[in-house]
Amino acid sequence: GQQVMQIPQYQHVQEGEDFTTYCNSSTTLSNIQWYKQRPGGHPVFLIQLVKSGEVKKQKRLTFQFGEAKKNSSLHITATQTTDVGTYFCAGPNGSRLTFGEGTQLTVNP
Amino acid sequence: DAGVTQSPTHLIKTRGQHVTLRCSPISGHKSVSWYQQVLGQGPQFIFQYYEKEERGRGNFPDRFSARQFPNYSSELNVNALLLGDSALYLCASSWGFTTGTEAFFGQGTRLTVV
Repeated sequence: GQQVMQIPQYQHVQEGEDFTTYCNSSTTLSNIQWYKQRPGGHPVFLIQLVKSGEVKKQKRLTFQFGEAKKNSSLHITATQTTDVGTYFCAGPNGSRLTFGEGTQLTVNP
Repeated sequence: DAGVTQSPTHLIKTRGQHVTLRCSPISGHKSVSWYQQVLGQGPQFIFQYYEKEERGRGNFPDRFSARQFPNYSSELNVNALLLGDSALYLCASSWGFTTGTEAFFGQGTRLTVV
């Protein structure tokens, strides 16, 4: 079945440093979604990418969808303590979303 | 406008018992999906219901069952609880049947099996 992998599993940064998480799917995706889960919270939708090579920005967050539509990345510029949480990518598979294992980001002030 | 609501928020059960978790989707959403999230892992798909019919089932044993009511709310039932069923159970609602739109998650039910 479809597998979605993310690296790294953990990332510790100093406030102000950049952060990137990478997502790879075993199959071509029709779209990819990114979610953020704060400690003790639930996943919250960030963005959906649909087109091959698509790049979208949300303030300090930049999302990319690979040309082959099998990989994606999330880059955060100049991290802040409010960025703390686990970032998940998720690929659709029929009626379900297949989530990666997530990248847990901690930010030291 | 209320988001996705789940009840209860926390639950402690003994091995072998039965549990029922409840979910109310966002008003107007007809699709409800259930996910299990074990600590340190990503959510794992259990079921999807759309228009009161099961549209997808993940790789979970038959001890897990669900249903959707005419008002689109949903229940997840787990029989003969095992210690390994301890997890955060998330309900997600969305507009349509496919995964082409964002999923809105509830705050989850934290189930502990002892």
